[in-house]
Amino acid sequence: QVQLVQSGAEVEKPGASVKVSCKASGHTFIGYYMDWVRQAPGQGLEWMGRINPNTGGTNYAQKFQGRVTMTSDRSISTVYMELSRLRSDDTAVYYCARSITNYADYWGQGTLVTVSS
Amino acid sequence: EIVLTQSPGTLSLSPGERATLSCRASQSVTSNYLAWYQQKPGQAPRLLIYGASSRATGIPDRFSGSGSGTDFTLTISRLEPEDFAVYYCQQSGGSFKWSFGQGTKVEIK
Repeated sequence: QVQLVQSGAEVEKPGASVKVSCKASGHTFIGYYMDWVRQAPGQGLEWMGRINPNTGGTNYAQKFQGRVTMTSDRSISTVYMELSRLRSDDTAVYYCARSITNYADYWGQGTLVTVSS
Repeated sequence: EIVLTQSPGTLSLSPGERATLSCRASQSVTSNYLAWYQQKPGQAPRLLIYGASSRATGIPDRFSGSGSGTDFTLTISRLEPEDFAVYYCQQSGGSFKWSFGQGTKVEIK
């Protein structure tokens, strides 16, 4: 079955960077896009962007342009999301989600990133 | 950017009752690229509906989606205990950039 397994929780200081991984199994890795969505504590869902794991092509939300970098490693069926210049309001659970561009049908378990001095 | 507004913010209902959730878009949603998700505390969202009205794999038929253009509805025909959760609508707009509604919480009355 399709599984997306994300890396563990992270605690970072303001101004630092964080890199979250998402390993896919149970489907053709290069056959789907991978989107990243985050959720601040007690808040709603916020789309960050998307990567085509086959080509490496990306499509970022305007809000995160210049601060987010999404990459893929086809050899290990893993995508990465790196967010730089962290602020306290970046504290959130970060999800990867398999998509066909219009919606996400499978989600990772989420990775809590806490930004605190 | 297309803004999605969900109403009501909270819906208080009893098991067995019908739930009607609304999602309104600030401009027309292209080709019904509108999806609905369910999220329970501590869990990742789960896809319920895509293309405005198509149920995702394994979703019970008590869940249905309808609407077009700027007005969409998620209906739960008879609430089961496991349906009490937060529901989000999501659209895929120009250049396939997504946006989500702020969510509707369905709580036990």
